[in-house]
Amino acid sequence: GAVVSQHPSRVICKSGTSVKIECRSLDFQATTMFWYRQFPKQSLMLMATSNEGSKATYEQGVEKDKFLINHASLTLSTLTVTSAHPEDSSFYICSAEAPDLRNTIYFGEGSWLTVV
Amino acid sequence: KQEVTQIPAALSVPEGENLVLNCSFTDSAIYNLQWFRQDPGKGLTSLLLIQSSQREQTSGRLNASLDKSSGRSTLYIAASQPGDSATYLCAPASGNTGKLIFGQGTTLQVKP
Repeated sequence: GAVVSQHPSRVICKSGTSVKIECRSLDFQATTMFWYRQFPKQSLMLMATSNEGSKATYEQGVEKDKFLINHASLTLSTLTVTSAHPEDSSFYICSAEAPDLRNTIYFGEGSWLTVV
Repeated sequence: KQEVTQIPAALSVPEGENLVLNCSFTDSAIYNLQWFRQDPGKGLTSLLLIQSSQREQTSGRLNASLDKSSGRSTLYIAASQPGDSATYLCAPASGNTGKLIFGQGTTLQVKP
């Protein structure tokens, strides 16, 4: 079946640094990917819609300058958390829409970010 | 703005019981609705996808129903097992996009 891979699965970074998370569709092309954030014991909150070849669409309240999204190819979207702070520590998970597979949505395995 | 509510928030049952998890959503103009399972610290596993034109979907011991007009979906788990212990998330999709809005989830514990 279709697979979406996220890397890294876990990352620890120092406060003030930037960290990049990759979301890759392994066996299908995804013109649209989505980034979600999940704080402990809370549900997933949509952060932004990543569109291949164009700017991402951010949800209300999500800082676009802090969470940089790049979708440069049909199989890769990246989320960069810039100038990370401890409150950015969270579980980040992406999903990819497979237009050739009846628009089925596939989720990555998620990435744990800890900012110290 | 779509809002999704799941009831109950947590559920603890002995093995073998049949369960019903409830999901309600405020905007009935959905394209489809998915139920997911999430194990602690892990990603999501898609369980069932119901298109807006469908009333229910079944997979093994799981059955999901959808009443779009009233903004409700239920997930029925038959003969629960300890391995079913997880958080179950309901997520309707608005429009023909992959943009899902998640409920807070129901955390299920099935005791042996």
